Amino acid sequence: KAGVTQTPRYLIKTRGQQVTLSCSPISGHRSVSWYQQTPGQGLQFLFEYFSETQRNKGNFPGRFSGRQFSNSRSEMNVSTLELGDSALYLCASSPFQGTDTQYFGPGTRLTVL
Amino acid sequence: AQTVTQSQPEMSVQEAETVTLSCTYDTSESNYYLFWYKQPPSRQMILVIRQEAYKQQNATENRFSVNFQKAAKSFSLKISDSQLGDTAMYFCAFMKRNAGNMLTFGGGTRLMVKP
Repeated sequence: KAGVTQTPRYLIKTRGQQVTLSCSPISGHRSVSWYQQTPGQGLQFLFEYFSETQRNKGNFPGRFSGRQFSNSRSEMNVSTLELGDSALYLCASSPFQGTDTQYFGPGTRLTVL
Repeated sequence: AQTVTQSQPEMSVQEAETVTLSCTYDTSESNYYLFWYKQPPSRQMILVIRQEAYKQQNATENRFSVNFQKAAKSFSLKISDSQLGDTAMYFCAFMKRNAGNMLTFGGGTRLMVKP
């Protein structure tokens, strides 16, 4: 099976802009979780979607949002970008919810100038 | 809320030797999973090993094994016969069972395997 794919792999934006990142899970996986990785804060959970519903949300401002489509593909959106949003954004998928290992994609490196 | 602590920011080991990475966690949950993930310079996060808290037997996966001490809330990773390809960041992670796929990560340990 193909692994988790994320697009784009690299992105450069300026402050105030918005950005949309995409994640395609492993075929058959219904849960998609998003994480932010920065040198200062480490790996932090953003949110999780399962069957098109947001099941869990981390401690991030409302500028961070996401959605999941019927084919389990997920997008996350960050509006009004700030310099501190520069990070590696990782997506992970698993077959079910709460009982399974998560498999990670290669990440999207976002740089905000 | 859960917390995961990795007290060794950096470690090094000679090729073919054994190294142990430490992880402690704090939780009031009784049903959970613990993971070790590896992140090489390519940044791709790779699962190394997983442990279910209700299982007393320590998980093993080839050269990788864990020492899971539930009462002490300790979950260390032992890498035997270290290889150059083991050079990476290693993250310990916690997940509550049946509460969604939300991982809480430790700060990571950077491991360098020297030839």
